[in-house]
Amino acid sequence: KAGVTQTPRYLIKTRGQQVTLSCSPISGHRSVSWYQQTPGQGLQFLFEYFSETQRNKGNFPGRFSGRQFSNSRSEMNVSTLELGDSALYLCASSLDQLSTDTQYFGPGTRLTVL
Amino acid sequence: AQKITQTQPGMFVQEKEAVTLDCTYDTSDQSYGLFWYKQPSSGEMIFLIYQGSYDEQNATEGRYSLNFQKARKSANLVISASQLGDSAMYFCAMREESSTNAGKSTFGDGTTLTVKP
Repeated sequence: KAGVTQTPRYLIKTRGQQVTLSCSPISGHRSVSWYQQTPGQGLQFLFEYFSETQRNKGNFPGRFSGRQFSNSRSEMNVSTLELGDSALYLCASSLDQLSTDTQYFGPGTRLTVL
Repeated sequence: AQKITQTQPGMFVQEKEAVTLDCTYDTSDQSYGLFWYKQPSSGEMIFLIYQGSYDEQNATEGRYSLNFQKARKSANLVISASQLGDSAMYFCAMREESSTNAGKSTFGDGTTLTVKP
């Protein structure tokens, strides 16, 4: 079974631009979560989607948004990029939101904002 | 609030020896899952092992075992017979059933493990 894929793997943007990251979950997984990882803040939860609905959202500004398509693929968008948005963005998929459901992660997208 | 604490920022172990990475957690949920992930320098988070809050037996997966002490709220990872390829960052994480934490894992700050030849 193919794992979680994320594209692109690397991105360089300048302040003020916007960016879209893509995530394809493991086949059969309907829950997709996004995390931001930085050296200073560690791994922080951005949001989670299930059946095209956002069910949970972390403490991030409205510049961070996402969506999920009917095939469970998900995108996240960051508008008006700031230097502090430079991070590794990780996508994780799981069957559902149960505490027994393992989240499997993709390789991440490394975003650099100049 | 849910929280994961990993008190060892860095650990060293000799090749072929066993090592224990500490993790304590805090939750008010009765139903939760505890997970360990490995993150090599490439960045990908690799799932290692899972322990459910209602599981009475400690989980094992090959060279990985989880020492689960529910009363102490600890879930330590034991790696036996360390290999050079085990050098990486290790994260302890928790998932809860409550609706406010739907779809979310809470992570500790991680422990950097270095295996010496």
